[in-house]
Amino acid sequence: EVQLVESGGGLVQPGGSLRLTCAAYGFTFSSYSMNWVRQAPGKGLEWVSYISSTGGTIYYAASVKGRFTISRDNAKNSLYLQMNSLRDEDTAVYYCARDFLRFSTDYWGQGTLVTVSS
Amino acid sequence: QSVLTQPPSVSAAPGQKVTISCSGSSSNIGNNYVSWYQQLPGTAPKLLIYDNNKRPSGIPDRFSGSKSGTSATLGITGLQTGDEADYYCGTWDSSLNAGEFGGGTKLTVL
Repeated sequence: EVQLVESGGGLVQPGGSLRLTCAAYGFTFSSYSMNWVRQAPGKGLEWVSYISSTGGTIYYAASVKGRFTISRDNAKNSLYLQMNSLRDEDTAVYYCARDFLRFSTDYWGQGTLVTVSS
Repeated sequence: QSVLTQPPSVSAAPGQKVTISCSGSSSNIGNNYVSWYQQLPGTAPKLLIYDNNKRPSGIPDRFSGSKSGTSATLGITGLQTGDEADYYCGTWDSSLNAGEFGGGTKLTVL
């Protein structure tokens, strides 16, 4: 059974850093591109970042470029999101999602909540 | 402000049909495939439609998708109370090299 499990969320002060992890189970992780998508409280979905299966291609949303870094370790079946210089507006539930085909994301984790507040 | 425009809400009676539109541009919907997602309250999004009109295994044929030019449409027939959810369209934007989601549409089954 395909499972994605995010961890690493929590409360952090503005300007602080946090590293999210997404552990993948039940499929050949190294064969799939992955995405991070976030959802602010009561708001819609916002795409954050994409990484190809090998890690050779990476894209970021303009709102996080230069502050967030996506990476993966295929040997550990894990996806990461390093978040630096966090702002209030980064407060959201962060989901990792498997890229099934042409930016169709067929499996999502349960999400991890990141709260940026002083 | 989302690049893809969806109506904030739609409603219909049980058993009826509803459509949800998603409007974009040539750099996103016009030249890329569209997906649709259902998000029930308190849960992660679920893929309903990919490649404009294909359904993943397990998605009933009450759900359908179409695309014309720079717009896409999700159709749901035989509405059930369990269909009450937020629905999002999504696609890639080739000019921005970024993923995009619509602002979401809340479906109410009256």
